[in-house]
Amino acid sequence: KQEVTQIPAALSVPEGENLVLNCSFTDSAIYNLQWFRQDPGKGLTSLLLIQSSQREQTSGRLNASLDKSSGRSTLYIAASQPGDSATYLCAVGGLYNQGGKLIFGQGTELSVKP
Amino acid sequence: DVKVTQSSRYLVKRTGEKVFLECVQDMDHENMFWYRQDPGLGLRLIYFSYDVKMKEKGDIPEGYSVSREKKERFSLILESASTNQTSMYLCASRTTGGAIREQYFGPGTRLTVT
Repeated sequence: KQEVTQIPAALSVPEGENLVLNCSFTDSAIYNLQWFRQDPGKGLTSLLLIQSSQREQTSGRLNASLDKSSGRSTLYIAASQPGDSATYLCAVGGLYNQGGKLIFGQGTELSVKP
Repeated sequence: DVKVTQSSRYLVKRTGEKVFLECVQDMDHENMFWYRQDPGLGLRLIYFSYDVKMKEKGDIPEGYSVSREKKERFSLILESASTNQTSMYLCASRTTGGAIREQYFGPGTRLTVT
């Protein structure tokens, strides 16, 4: 059974710092991995999607990497801003899916201090 | 842009009531999903639908049913609401065409059962 873990659960950094959020998964038979952002009381906004055949994806100040063999993904945020404060979730789509079902980590709550 | 809408942002219902949560997507996506999100438990899949009139149980289907009579609409039904169904409910959709099968989420419905 696929399990997804995100460490740390919470992170507080000063504005301008570069930071890395971690996601690990137990089963390497994945179709894709998606990173989401969630603001308090709101829905999920998709940030980046990495196909299983890819190693990384970039969007603006965000860069997500994928290492299937070690069961890890990282989300790198450059030059963090207070507006980046939110909970970041990673989710894995299984290779032998299951209708597109995603398995989610518990999230990392990020706070960027001005 | 893909748009997934949910009928209510906030809902308060009494124990024993029948509750309908509606979700509509405007991108002709085949797959639709209902998740619930609870502190400490993360997002868990309740039901999903491959296509019109097709549904599959997720991880926690007990106490819920679903309906998908039209491709754009996926309804979650709480047959007899109970206090342990107080939660944030999130709907999502995705296409099955092509390799990029990104999942898009709605804004969520915060349901309180008293």
